[in-house]
This record gives sequence, structure tokens and C-alpha cells, in this order.
Amino acid sequence: AQSVAQPEDQVNVAEGNPLTVKCTYSVSGNPYLFWYVQYPNRGLQFLLKYITGDNLVKGSYGFEAEFNKSQTSFHLKKPSALVSDSALYFCAVRDEDPGGYQKVTFGTGTKLQVIP
Amino acid sequence: DGGITQSPKYLFRKEGQNVTLSCEQNLNHDAMYWYRQDPGQGLRLIYYSQIVNDFQKGDIAEGYSVSREKKESFPLTVTSAQKNPTAFYLCASQQGVYSGNTIYFGEGSWLTVV
Repeated sequence: AQSVAQPEDQVNVAEGNPLTVKCTYSVSGNPYLFWYVQYPNRGLQFLLKYITGDNLVKGSYGFEAEFNKSQTSFHLKKPSALVSDSALYFCAVRDEDPGGYQKVTFGTGTKLQVIP
Repeated sequence: DGGITQSPKYLFRKEGQNVTLSCEQNLNHDAMYWYRQDPGQGLRLIYYSQIVNDFQKGDIAEGYSVSREKKESFPLTVTSAQKNPTAFYLCASQQGVYSGNTIYFGEGSWLTVV
């Protein structure tokens, strides 16, 4: 089964500084990777995804993610953090069950705190 | 407006009762999913469905049931057999079954056992 791991429960960064939220993956075959953001008491919002092609993926709200096959990583980045970026971030991977049905598996989430 | 609608937003259940959470989408998406979210545990998959009248158990299906009688609807019933049902429940949907398609989420429903 495919899986993702988010090694940090929380990341703190000063406003204006670059931010990185880490994600590593374990897949067989081609990985389909996603990042989502969740604000308190809300559903998840899609940020970006890697399917194939360019290793640097650009997404919503100025976020981008770098796919690194040799390190099996898909870290989320932003050049300059905003206080409004404070939220819970989830990495996810497309998976397939033994019956061939598609599903999506999520990491445990990383809380990003941007300090004014 | 197009989207995924979950209702109710907040639901209180007495022990021993079954409750049903509604999920409706008007995006014409084929696949639908239910996840449970507990603090510190991320999202865990309960049930998923690729087409009408067909669904599969996820990682934590025990104590839950679903139906998929219509393409746009995927209700989740939390039965009395679910011993610890207090959680945030998220419904999601996806166009087609191509691996690269994005899944989109509703706003979630809070279930509390009182």
C-alpha cells in the first residue's frame, strides 16, 4: 500500500520568512501526490498536486512543492510566510486497494504556526 | 453553487442511537469518500464508492454503514456499534477514477456523543 509520512507535528516560522512543511512517501510505481490545507472547523482545501513532469509544482496561495524521487519527498514550500497561512497541512497519496479501487491516503498533518 | 454539502454541521447523539450524516454533491463526480478526523491522527478512510450501488470498506469501517443509491448522494450511518463515534466527519468526491484527479471536500460534520 502507498503511504505518506509527515515527520513534524508542528512547524513555527516568522512572518516573512520562507516556510517548508515536509512530506515523504512510499509508493510502488508512479506516485500521485497532493497537498491540502485545513482551517479550524473546516473541510480540506486543495493546494497542489504532482502527477508527472516538472519536479517543481506551483499551486494556490503562492505555495509550491518540490518532488524529489531520490529522496522520496514532496515538501511544501512558500518563499514568504503570512500569518494567514497558519493552518493544518496534509500530504496525501493516491492508492489502490487489492480490488483495483482507487482511494486517497493522508498523512497525520502538520500544524503551521506563522508568528507575527 | 457547485460543491459538496454536508449536513448537519453539528450533531449530538445519545449512546445507543444510530445517526445518519448527509453528503450531497452536484459536481457530477463519480467517486465519493467518507473520512473521520480525530486530533493528532489525521484523516482515516471509512468507506468509499466509485460508482452507484457499489462501495468498499476503508480502514475503519466497523460500526459504520453507507449507501450509494444515487450518484450525487453518499450518506453515512454511524451505528450504535461504533464505540467511540465522537469526531469530525469529512465527505469528499472526485471526478472519474483516474489516479491524478483531485478529490474535493465538504465542510465537515461534528458528531458528539452525549
